[in-house]
Amino acid sequence: AQSVTQLGSHVSVSEGALVLLRCNYSSSVPPYLFWYVQYPNQGLQLLLKYTSAATLVKGINGFEAEFKKSETSFHLTKPSAHMSDAAEYFCAVSLSQAGTALIFGKGTTLSVSS
Amino acid sequence: EPEVTQTPSHQVTQMGQEVILRCVPISNHLYFYWYRQILGQKVEFLVSFYNNEISEKSEIFDDQFSVERPDGSNFTLKIRSTKLEDSAMYFCASRVAGSNYGYTFGSGTRLTVV
Repeated sequence: AQSVTQLGSHVSVSEGALVLLRCNYSSSVPPYLFWYVQYPNQGLQLLLKYTSAATLVKGINGFEAEFKKSETSFHLTKPSAHMSDAAEYFCAVSLSQAGTALIFGKGTTLSVSS
Repeated sequence: EPEVTQTPSHQVTQMGQEVILRCVPISNHLYFYWYRQILGQKVEFLVSFYNNEISEKSEIFDDQFSVERPDGSNFTLKIRSTKLEDSAMYFCASRVAGSNYGYTFGSGTRLTVV
């Protein structure tokens, strides 16, 4: 069975600073990996996804993530944080088969201070 | 951009009552899902639905729950005899055929059981 671990339930950065949100996965078969963002009182919005093509994936709002098989990681980064990035971020994994369920991590709350 | 639509956005029900949460997936999507998020916790998979039948379900999805696609456009989650612990945000998601595609989530229905 696959699972996701997000290290750090809460990350705080200053505006303009590097954002790094950590995600490690466990999967018995090659996984598909996703990052979703949830703004207060809203649904889940897809930031980016890895589906076995390029290991460095670029998403919306300047975010990117790198799939590292040797480290079983898929960390999310952004070079310069903006106040509007403050939200809950979820890493998720699914099997590389159509229709399989997404399994989410517990989420990381990102706070951005001025 | 196509959206997954969920209604109502907020529902309050008395313990023991039945509720039906409604979702309209994106029209050319073939896989449908329900997830829930208890306040402050992670997003949990409930059930997936494909070709008019359940393809996968979690331990949470017990006999109290059922899903249906009654008319080819709506996708419903029924909870019989609601309990206090059913209070959560319920998200519907859909995806197109082909495993490379991400899941599109609706904005959720906040269910409050009193």
